[in-house]
Amino acid sequence: KQEVTQIPAALSVPEGENLVLNCSFTDSAIYNLQWFRQDPGKGLTSLLLIQSSQREQTSGRLNASLDKSSGRSTLYIAASQPGDSATYLCAGRGRSGGGADGLTFGKGTHLIIQP
Amino acid sequence: EAQVTQNPRYLITVTGKKLTVTCSQNMNHEYMSWYRQDPGLGLRQIYYSMNVEVTDKGDVPEGYKVSRKEKRNFPLILESPSPNQTSLYFCASSYGTPNTEAFFGQGTRLTVV
Repeated sequence: KQEVTQIPAALSVPEGENLVLNCSFTDSAIYNLQWFRQDPGKGLTSLLLIQSSQREQTSGRLNASLDKSSGRSTLYIAASQPGDSATYLCAGRGRSGGGADGLTFGKGTHLIIQP
Repeated sequence: EAQVTQNPRYLITVTGKKLTVTCSQNMNHEYMSWYRQDPGLGLRQIYYSMNVEVTDKGDVPEGYKVSRKEKRNFPLILESPSPNQTSLYFCASSYGTPNTEAFFGQGTRLTVV
């Protein structure tokens, strides 16, 4: 069964730094990988979706990459801002994930951007 | 606006009192799922539905029921809630093809006392 791991579990950096969040998955037979943002006690906001045939996706200051062969995805945040503080979750969608939508989630990286 | 809507957003109830959390999507999605999120455990799937009248158990189905009588609605039913069902619940939906994006509701914070 698919397992998704996110490292680090928590990260605190000064404002303005560029940073990378890591996500690894055990089963490379994924259809896509999705990155989400979650603010405390709130819902999941979809940030980026990378299809299995793609290498990366960009949205504003965010760039997500996917390397199926190594079972890795990264989320790059450029010029971080305090408003980026949140928990970031990655989820792989594939045959060996949960039923129907096949999503398997990592436990997230809790990010704090210090002003 | 495309969205998944859950109600209520917050709920405090007592042990044993039946409750229903509603979920509705306006995107004509085939797939719908319920997840619960607990500290240290991440998101775990409770039940899912691949289409109308087709439902199946996820990883943690005990103590929950679902129904899918209409494509847009997928309510989560707790017949006799217990304190260990205190959690943050999410409904999700997506099209019934693999390469599609999953959309999540805003969550329902349930406390069972």
